[in-house]
Parts: sequence; C-alpha cells; structure tokens
Amino acid sequence: EPEVTQTPSHQVTQMGQEVILRCVPISNHLYFYWYRQILGQKVEFLVSFYNNEISEKSEIFDDQFSVERPDGSNFTLKIRSTKLEDSAMYFCASTALRAGNQPQHFGDGTRLSIL
Amino acid sequence: GNSVTQMEGPVTLSEEAFLTINCTYTATGYPSLFWYVQYPGEGLQLLLKATKADDKGSNKGFEATYRKETTSFHLEKGSVQVSDSAVYFCALLGAGGTSYGKLTFGQGTILTVHP
Repeated sequence: EPEVTQTPSHQVTQMGQEVILRCVPISNHLYFYWYRQILGQKVEFLVSFYNNEISEKSEIFDDQFSVERPDGSNFTLKIRSTKLEDSAMYFCASTALRAGNQPQHFGDGTRLSIL
Repeated sequence: GNSVTQMEGPVTLSEEAFLTINCTYTATGYPSLFWYVQYPGEGLQLLLKATKADDKGSNKGFEATYRKETTSFHLEKGSVQVSDSAVYFCALLGAGGTSYGKLTFGQGTILTVHP
C-alpha cells in the first residue's frame, strides 16, 4: 500500500538555526498538509498546500515557516531561526481529493528537537 | 471553531475486555469523523471513518457510530488484544468555511492492554 514517507525521523538542531523537514506524499495525491504535535498536546494543523500554493494556514504558521514543493515528489517544511518552542513531532499528510469525506494519509513524523 | 474532546486517559485494560473511548465534537456544517491510531514509534494510521449522521465506521473489530444528536463518535471494541495498545485520536474534517479540508484532533487517549 502506498505510504507517505518523511525524513529524517529525528532532527536535532541548535536554536536559531534553519531546519528543513522533508516529505514524499503518495504519488497520485494532490493535497498536502503539515501538522505538528508538541509533546503532551494535541495534533495541530499548520498548513495545507495545493497546486503549488498555500491553501490555508493556521495562526501557528507565521513568517518563520514556509513550505515548498521543489519537484514532482517532495514537499518540504522549512523553519527559519528555530526556537525552543518549535520542538515537536511534525507530521506530513496527503490526500487525493479535498472533499470532506476523504481521509488524510500520514507519514511516521519527524521528531524535531531544538537545543 | 471546530473542536474535538476525548475522554481522559490513560486507559488500562486486560486482554478480552470491552473498550470504549468517548469522543464528542463541536462543528459547523456536516463534518466527517475519523479515528486514527498511533502505535509506538509509528505515525498516525487511519482506523475508521464515518462521513454522515448514523454512519458506522468499522475496522479490525473497532466500531464507531456518527451520532449527530449527541455530537459524538465513541470508539468501541468488544474484546481488546495486547496488540491494540496504542494512542487513539478522534478527529474531525471540516466541511465548510475556513475549516474545510483540515483535520481537528482530540488530545489522544493512551490505551494499554495487559495479557
């Protein structure tokens, strides 16, 4: 069964550094998402992406964050000048359709630790 | 905005016990409802879904019924196994406005099943 894959599984970065989290969505999917889960808290929506542009973003997704689909397969989340509070598990998801009954398929996540 | 509330965990059961994890929601329009499961060290996997009122989602012995009158989507299983030990997330997929296409999660319920 096709999977969403994320790399790396764990990223440790010094505060203030830039980090790029990578995702390969399922190949025929068109809608892409990033979510994050701070330890002990809910999974929170960050951003959705379609047709090479952001569809929606949450209040969390400020100027520090950006997303890109640099080629036909990768979908990346960049965090500029990381802060301690960016430490979290980041999940990528994709779906073929945006319709309300279509489930999103998730990767295994990247655990980001900011020191 | 949309919100999902799950019962407090952790839940600890003996093998073959009956499981209920309560989930209630607040939403505008007609959202779709999902249960995701996260096994140790893995990502979020879709367990089951229901897309309209009175629908019953089922998978691997788990069931949940979309109750619009009580705004609930409780997860049940008649006889749990040790392999069911995981974190269970109730989630809502927005059906309109700025919520369309993004998942809102509950806080997750840790289930531990002992032999």
